[in-house]
Amino acid sequence: EVQLVESGGGLVQPGRSLKLSCAASGFTFSNYYMAWVRQAPTKGLEWVASITNSGGSTYYRDSVKGRFTISRDNAKSTLYLQMDSLRSEDTATYYCTRGGMVLLDWGQGVMVTVSS
Amino acid sequence: IQLTQSPSLLSASVGDRVTLSCKGSQNINNYLAWYQQKLGEAPKLLIYNTNSLQTGIPSRFSGSGSGTDYTLTISSLQPEDVATYFCYQYNNGLTFGSGTKLEIK
Repeated sequence: EVQLVESGGGLVQPGRSLKLSCAASGFTFSNYYMAWVRQAPTKGLEWVASITNSGGSTYYRDSVKGRFTISRDNAKSTLYLQMDSLRSEDTATYYCTRGGMVLLDWGQGVMVTVSS
Repeated sequence: IQLTQSPSLLSASVGDRVTLSCKGSQNINNYLAWYQQKLGEAPKLLIYNTNSLQTGIPSRFSGSGSGTDYTLTISSLQPEDVATYFCYQYNNGLTFGSGTKLEIK
């Protein structure tokens, strides 16, 4: 059974940093592209970033380019999202997803609140 | 590519045939998926590549469409289908529609 378990969320002040982790199990992690998708409270879904299976290439939505960094450790089957210079509009539940184009499986999500 | 879903809210009776619409701002080339999100849960993949049913999804769910216009159909609505449904395109970038909230009448 595929499991994706996010951690690292919380309350953070604007301009500060936070690093999310996603522990994967139930599949060969190194074979799959991975992505982060977020959902602001009572809003729709928004793709944030993706990474190839090797970690050699990364992709970001424009609003987080230069502030967020997606990475992975295939030896630990773990996906990361380093979020710097956080803004109030980054407040959302962040989901870890398996897949590059079609997002096959999703974690339960972790809440990030950016507020002073 | 922007996706417009309609209606935003749909109320139907158990057993009804339900149709949800998703329209793209440009050609999606059938790279269209549908997700179901129940209250307080993560989204779940239902359909990919317009009409391919994901493993484990009941056969009452089906997808169709081409070009810019796509449809998710539930052939016989069940109480457990209450959820918000999002379409998602992966033809040019990755974008989601704003969702259709499905309720039982």
